[in-house]
Amino acid sequence: AQSVTQPDIHITVSEGASLELRCNYSYGATPYLFWYVQSPGQGLQLLLKYFSGDTLVQGIKGFEAEFKRSQSSFNLRKPSVHWSDAAEYFCAVLGGYQKVTFGTGTKLQVIP
Amino acid sequence: DARVTQTPRDKVTEMGQEVTMRCQPILGHNTVFWYRQTMKQGLELLAYFRNRAPLDDSGMPKDRFSAEMPDATLATLKIQPSEPRDSAVYFCASGTGDLLNTGELFFGEGSRLTVL
Repeated sequence: AQSVTQPDIHITVSEGASLELRCNYSYGATPYLFWYVQSPGQGLQLLLKYFSGDTLVQGIKGFEAEFKRSQSSFNLRKPSVHWSDAAEYFCAVLGGYQKVTFGTGTKLQVIP
Repeated sequence: DARVTQTPRDKVTEMGQEVTMRCQPILGHNTVFWYRQTMKQGLELLAYFRNRAPLDDSGMPKDRFSAEMPDATLATLKIQPSEPRDSAVYFCASGTGDLLNTGELFFGEGSRLTVL
């Protein structure tokens, strides 16, 4: 069975600081991985996705993520965080029968 | 502006009442997912459909939840009878048939359910 673990429930960073959100997945075959962002009161929006090829993928809003098969990880990064990045971030895996499973999310707080 | 539409946005009901949530997927999308979001469990997959056929509903409590797609433009999630523990935000998401190529799900704004 496929699953996603986001070990950090809540992260606080200062504006302008770098950010890394952790994601570990479990899936028997080649994973298709995603990061979504949810602003308060809204649905989720796709930030980026990894299907194959280059293990470093670029997304919207200056985010990037790196797929590391040996660590079963797909961590999200941003070099310099803006106050508008405060939101909840979800990692997801697309597995068998096109089932999309999400992690429990990481809530990002940005302080001035 | 193509988007997934969910109704109602907010619903407060009493324990034991029937609740029906509706979702209109983006036109042309034939894969529809229902998720439930709570503080404790995060985003749980309840059920999903492709071409209106249910592919997996193992995440749903079968005794009280049911999900259907009466036609390609409407997905419904019904709870009967509702219980306080069903209080959550329910999201519908749709995608094109081949998620392996596109990979993107488009989410509605959610239906917030409160069962008293």
